[in-house]
Amino acid sequence: DVKVTQSSRYLVKRTGEKVFLECVQDMDHENMFWYRQDPGLGLRLIYFSYDVKMKEKGDIPEGYSVSREKKERFSLILESASTNQTSMYLCASSSGLALNTDTQYFGPGTRLTVL
Amino acid sequence: GNSVTQMEGPVTLSEEAFLTINCTYTATGYPSLFWYVQYPGEGLQLLLKATKADDKGSNKGFEATYRKETTSFHLEKGSVQVSDSAVYFCALRGGTASKLTFGTGTRLQVTL
Repeated sequence: DVKVTQSSRYLVKRTGEKVFLECVQDMDHENMFWYRQDPGLGLRLIYFSYDVKMKEKGDIPEGYSVSREKKERFSLILESASTNQTSMYLCASSSGLALNTDTQYFGPGTRLTVL
Repeated sequence: GNSVTQMEGPVTLSEEAFLTINCTYTATGYPSLFWYVQYPGEGLQLLLKATKADDKGSNKGFEATYRKETTSFHLEKGSVQVSDSAVYFCALRGGTASKLTFGTGTRLQVTL
């Protein structure tokens, strides 16, 4: 079974803090993704990476950055957390092979509260 | 650009009732279509998918048929159970990228 793990299930931070959310996958997947999930808005893509040290902006990258130094690990960074970044953050990975059968596998999510 | 529209929730049904959750999409070309499910406190799990027109995806008693003529991928189940209570997301993948575009999700509550 594919396993995608996220470093924390719940996180509480203060406005202005630098926040790191970590995601690890164990299936040697090429692609990794960060989404945020908000009520009434569904999932929105923040950033994704299709290879080590490669990254691309998603639909809502403002206020976020990412790092992928190793294939299995994809970090989401909030340089200076703000209250409007309070959300559920979901990480996903996919093999990147055979596009028409490629499936994204999700981690359990990190619920971040910024006070 | 790509977009997915799902019916508003919550949907409340009695056990053994028939379920339909509507999903329509806008995309260029020939997208792949997905249904994901999120149980309380968990991440998303792939429920089923279809990669070309007229394909039917099925899993755990759920079905959805890729209808290109109506740009729809409605989720159905003949007899829901309390354990099906969850949030259901319709999604599409278009073009050459691996990115998914999600709908807003539909919460299903099944009662005894």
